[in-house]
Amino acid sequence: GQQLNQSPQSMFIQEGEDVSMNCTSSSIFNTWLWYKQDPGEGPVLLIALYKAGELTSNGRLTAQFGITRKDSFLNISASIPSDVGIYFCAGQLSGTASKLTFGTGTRLQVTL
Amino acid sequence: DVKVTQSSRYLVKRTGEKVFLECVQDMDHENMFWYRQDPGLGLRLIYFSYDVKMKEKGDIPEGYSVSREKKERFSLILESASTNQTSMYLCASSLAGSSYNEQFFGPGTRLTVL
Repeated sequence: GQQLNQSPQSMFIQEGEDVSMNCTSSSIFNTWLWYKQDPGEGPVLLIALYKAGELTSNGRLTAQFGITRKDSFLNISASIPSDVGIYFCAGQLSGTASKLTFGTGTRLQVTL
Repeated sequence: DVKVTQSSRYLVKRTGEKVFLECVQDMDHENMFWYRQDPGLGLRLIYFSYDVKMKEKGDIPEGYSVSREKKERFSLILESASTNQTSMYLCASSLAGSSYNEQFFGPGTRLTVL
């Protein structure tokens, strides 16, 4: 199955810094989702995007659905230690109702 | 809040054993999914079900089967466990319909096959 290209693979940042990560694909997606996974736990949904160009915030998190529908971005502002984890993008391909394609994840580590 | 629960957080089995992983959701979702997650490979879809008694193969169905006898419950079966099935298994559920693609995950079952 197809995987989304997610970058960076990992990040080490200092507390208080802003973080950016993105997902790209050669295919068009109808939906973009961003999840966070803590160690030993299942992914938790952070943000869902349904329209090209849509910009949505959830607290310190902001995500955008790319205008071409082939990419999405997640920004975290003023990072804190509990932001540590793996962030996954997921997209629903046009014509594949209900199924999601996942990125390989961005591992975020925050130093004090 | 959607709640997806999985029967075990950790499981250790021997090669050749039959293994059952159970998943239950309490939000009346039509769709349920089983994934496995391995380092560097991300989440890979094993099987999904869009209705009771309905199932569809995902990307890596070999060595697995599933059962959905009730809407809220979706079981993953390893008929004869092998060491290469050692992995983290994640169950998810979602509403039917193209407007509802948000999948909600359980806490995962870390399976070790010796």
